[in-house]
Amino acid sequence: QQPVQSPQAVILREGEDAVINCSSSKALYSVHWYRQKHGEAPVFLMILLKGGEQKGHEKISASFNEKKQQSSLYLTASQLSYSGTYFCGRNSGNTPLVFGKGTRLSVIA
Amino acid sequence: SAVISQKPSRDICQRGTSLTIQCQVDSQVTMMFWYRQQPGQSLTLIATANQGSEATYESGFVIDKFPISRPNLTFSTLTVSNLSPEDSSIYLCSVEVTGTWNYTFGSGTRLTVV
Repeated sequence: QQPVQSPQAVILREGEDAVINCSSSKALYSVHWYRQKHGEAPVFLMILLKGGEQKGHEKISASFNEKKQQSSLYLTASQLSYSGTYFCGRNSGNTPLVFGKGTRLSVIA
Repeated sequence: SAVISQKPSRDICQRGTSLTIQCQVDSQVTMMFWYRQQPGQSLTLIATANQGSEATYESGFVIDKFPISRPNLTFSTLTVSNLSPEDSSIYLCSVEVTGTWNYTFGSGTRLTVV
């Protein structure tokens, strides 16, 4: 089953923060976050494994709440380069990723 | 992470014909995946291609329409057969570099069927 992402779309001004949520009705073993710019392939951002860990990548970080079967991606002090569609993907061990429908993020000056 | 070369990057095909997409990886990987991304949509898994065995197809995708080959641990092809306009999409291959949990994508093939 496909993870559920929210919101579907968000518009930010440069410097503003955003949170993108990803939830699953199936048990999450790991959550993978990707960003895709128009006309390009998805680019890996980070992975979170069971254990409720939080990771960071520059001003982008994420958390994974195993009990709630939920992950959140935090974008702080957004930059124009953050624009794109963000996908969360879940899998259960060594299986292919199943992706959510995506969240379209637009950062404007 | 692995580097994937995917060809062609785009093609325009006549309905009823077929297109074969190639995916070459710079390292040996156990599992390769093929996805379809329709315009403005998410990535939908077509099949998993393992070397030395038949590909495993997801619901809604059949081997006759999407035959896959996996002759070795660095290469795979996806053929989209008997093309119709509904097959117009971006097709992407993906690999998981064994043991890293990092799934890398090829640059994609944009197929337009006319």
